[in-house]
Amino acid sequence: KAGVTQTPRYLIKTRGQQVTLSCSPISGHRSVSWYQQTPGQGLQFLFEYFSETQRNKGNFPGRFSGRQFSNSRSEMNVSTLELGDSALYLCASSLGSTGSGYEQYFGPGTRLTVT
Amino acid sequence: DQQVKQNSPSLSVQEGRISILNCDYTNSMFDYFLWYKKYPAEGPTFLISISSIKDKNEDGRFTVFLNKSAKHLSLHIVPSQPGDSAVYFCAAPDNSGNTPLVFGKGTRLSVIA
Repeated sequence: KAGVTQTPRYLIKTRGQQVTLSCSPISGHRSVSWYQQTPGQGLQFLFEYFSETQRNKGNFPGRFSGRQFSNSRSEMNVSTLELGDSALYLCASSLGSTGSGYEQYFGPGTRLTVT
Repeated sequence: DQQVKQNSPSLSVQEGRISILNCDYTNSMFDYFLWYKKYPAEGPTFLISISSIKDKNEDGRFTVFLNKSAKHLSLHIVPSQPGDSAVYFCAAPDNSGNTPLVFGKGTRLSVIA
């Protein structure tokens, strides 16, 4: 099976712009989660989508949003970019069920730099 | 409040010796635990997991131990190799549904040749 893919891998944007990141999960996986990783902060949960519905949401401002399509592919959008949004954005997919079904498989990430 | 804690941000070990990475949790409802390994500029890779019905799970050089009464788990790597140098994250499914997985902040392991 192909792994989780994320596009683009690298992105440079200017403050105030918006950005859309894309994630294609492993075939058969219905849950897609997004995380932000900044130096020293570990993995901070953004949101999770399951069957096209947002199932969980982390503590991020409304500038961060996402969606999931019927084929389970997901996009996240960040509007009005700030310098502090510079980070590695990781997408993870899973079956989304209990126990071992929660094992998440991560994509390589999108490195976003805001200048 | 952090439900999964990795209190050592970094660890250095000589090649060939044992690496022990620790993780504590506060939520007694957690019943499944995972370890992930992350290289710079890559996504985390699933390494090994353990169910709360076990106290040990082994996979090659990697063994995870779970002490439910102490709410503590540890990852042992024997023998350690330079390629094991990475950040290791401990995680648990949040069955209350707040987040799919709750992660610790990670421990950076450096294996010195």
